[in-house]
Amino acid sequence: QVHLQESGPGLVRPSQTLPLTCTVSGGSIASGGHYWSWVRQRPGKGLEWIGYIYYSGTFYYNPSLKSRLSLSVDTSNNQLSLKLNSVTAADTAVYYCAREDRRGGYKFDSWGQGILVIVSS
Amino acid sequence: QTVVTQEPSLTVSPGGTVTLTCTSSTGAVTSGSYPNWFQQKPGQAPRPLIYSATKTHPWTPARFSGSLLGDKAALTLSGVQPEDEAEYFCLLYYGGRWVFGGGTHLTVL
Repeated sequence: QVHLQESGPGLVRPSQTLPLTCTVSGGSIASGGHYWSWVRQRPGKGLEWIGYIYYSGTFYYNPSLKSRLSLSVDTSNNQLSLKLNSVTAADTAVYYCAREDRRGGYKFDSWGQGILVIVSS
Repeated sequence: QTVVTQEPSLTVSPGGTVTLTCTSSTGAVTSGSYPNWFQQKPGQAPRPLIYSATKTHPWTPARFSGSLLGDKAALTLSGVQPEDEAEYFCLLYYGGRWVFGGGTHLTVL
């Protein structure tokens, strides 16, 4: 069973870059067949899809974030990375990584536990 | 901007049946929208329940079912249990990107 674990700083200063990593265990990113998404949830609010990346590097970003967002994949370490530039307090949220399987239907079948990132000076 | 709309809140009695819906501002929700449904309880990650409108995960309780109702996606809970009180989110696919609904808070009372 695949396991996803987010990691990164819990506090980021405004205007700085938010860097997060998602470590995948129990399955290889490079085996293909899965898309890897990032999702966030502002305090007390709903879920927001941030974007996804495929092991080959193919990606798709939420249009509202794409000017500040960069997703990448490190197949050698079985990790995903997110970088969000020029953050503001509005980027304070719990950030999740999730696996999307498009075989036999489009399904999000595995989620990390999430990491709270606070943007504050 | 694409907006996915859900009922903000619903209340159901234990043992009852309730249907949550998910609509798209761009038009009808179809099988090509690949509707996904998630349950989320406070402090927890979303738990997948339904994908591709009607398909269940191995861990999805039998009382949860998904469907396409007219131009909407729907999640029906039959024989609601107290532990079903939670927030429920739908997720729709728009040819590359995904958009979440605002969520429905389900109260079991």
